Amino acid sequence: QKEVEQDPGPLSVPEGAIVSLNCTYSNSAFQYFMWYRQYSRKGPELLMYTYSSGNKEDGRFTAQVDKSSKYISLFIRDSQPSDSATYLCASALSNFGNEKLTFGTGTRLTIIP
Amino acid sequence: NAGVTQTPKFQVLKTGQSMTLQCAQDMNHEYMSWYRQDPGMGLRLIHYSVGAGITDQGEVPNGYNVSRSTTEDFPLRLLSAAPSQTSVYFCASSYSSGEQFFGPGTRLTVL
Repeated sequence: QKEVEQDPGPLSVPEGAIVSLNCTYSNSAFQYFMWYRQYSRKGPELLMYTYSSGNKEDGRFTAQVDKSSKYISLFIRDSQPSDSATYLCASALSNFGNEKLTFGTGTRLTIIP
Repeated sequence: NAGVTQTPKFQVLKTGQSMTLQCAQDMNHEYMSWYRQDPGMGLRLIHYSVGAGITDQGEVPNGYNVSRSTTEDFPLRLLSAAPSQTSVYFCASSYSSGEQFFGPGTRLTVL
């Protein structure tokens, strides 16, 4: 069993819809949770990160962590065609740069104009 | 700042050949790492370095060597390429805490 599981999709939604992307993890020691966005043939870029349980909002994006159920979510409001990308969740034991990130397999998202 | 740069962008090798994937960063980051990305497997850590002269193995180190002689550069060497090493390789860097910045990737095919 992978430590971080993610539905690979693909997921297609119409422009303007709310998108929900989800991951589960098995290592209860994970403390930091991240979402990366990866456009086709590009490197991943950090979208959001959260510490422990709770919500974090940044514009149209909300990251949510429920440590009791080991569930990580990313919500995208008012989705735009420019949001079409692969979204990777990642977890770490700490927020230090030398801490190994454990990635999910990524969910490919397409926003249909 | 150029950020994290990787060369080459594409490479085709024959089984048994050796090559070096180059990675450089101009942000004075202490921490650098190499990942491979395969369909259905996500990103997996190959090797990482917490500073010049210090390297360690990640999840999938077999068949790869690294060294870190300067803060800026972190090359990844394939000693004897195998078809199983066909993948997209990403280099990343960060300060001791904070966001990891990824390079644009090298697409490697081993025939």
